[in-house]
Amino acid sequence: GESVGLHLPTLSVQEGDNSIINCAYSNSASDYFIWYKQESGKGPQFIIDIRSNMDKRQGQRVTVLLNKTVKHLSLQIAATQPGDSAVYFCAENGQAGTALIFGKGTTLSVSS
Amino acid sequence: GAVVSQHPSRVICKSGTSVKIECRSLDFQATTMFWYRQFPKQSLMLMATSNEGSKATYEQGVEKDKFLINHASLTLSTLTVTSAHPEDSSFYICSAVTGVEANEKLFFGSGTQLSVL
Repeated sequence: GESVGLHLPTLSVQEGDNSIINCAYSNSASDYFIWYKQESGKGPQFIIDIRSNMDKRQGQRVTVLLNKTVKHLSLQIAATQPGDSAVYFCAENGQAGTALIFGKGTTLSVSS
Repeated sequence: GAVVSQHPSRVICKSGTSVKIECRSLDFQATTMFWYRQFPKQSLMLMATSNEGSKATYEQGVEKDKFLINHASLTLSTLTVTSAHPEDSSFYICSAVTGVEANEKLFFGSGTQLSVL
């Protein structure tokens, strides 16, 4: 079936660097995408979202880019901090009222 | 943002017993709640969709008689793992939506770590 996946399972960066986490999705009908951060033993925490009619959206220190042509989603974190260390998931929603479908997750490790 | 409370956060039980997990929307009415399961180092997998006042819709491969879901009110959904076995040990997470328009920003509970001995 269709699912959302991720390119890399782990990413290690130095504090202060910019981080880029990628995600490939396969459902071309999806029109809404979200990035979540999950710390160990906790539920997912909303980071940023984007609709399919946009290709870029910025938040505080984070930017999400959407390339519908190649069905690719990325999360950019500026000036990465140790507190950003977590597992990051992209998720898609193809129809309002239905559940989110999650990708496999990328573990971000930030060293001081 | 909206708050979803999940309880308990951690439970250890003996094989063969049943465990109930509660998911409450604290400051909004949730017409729909979703239950996910997450194994170590894996992603969240949707188990079922729970709609208030109706039967839950289960994903393929999820046993409805084993994972009983009750959504009796607009603020509470429960997941009961019946006759739990060690392979049911997992992190269970619920999420809630207020309605179609607000669906996208699903709010998640803090999860329940179930360990079956």
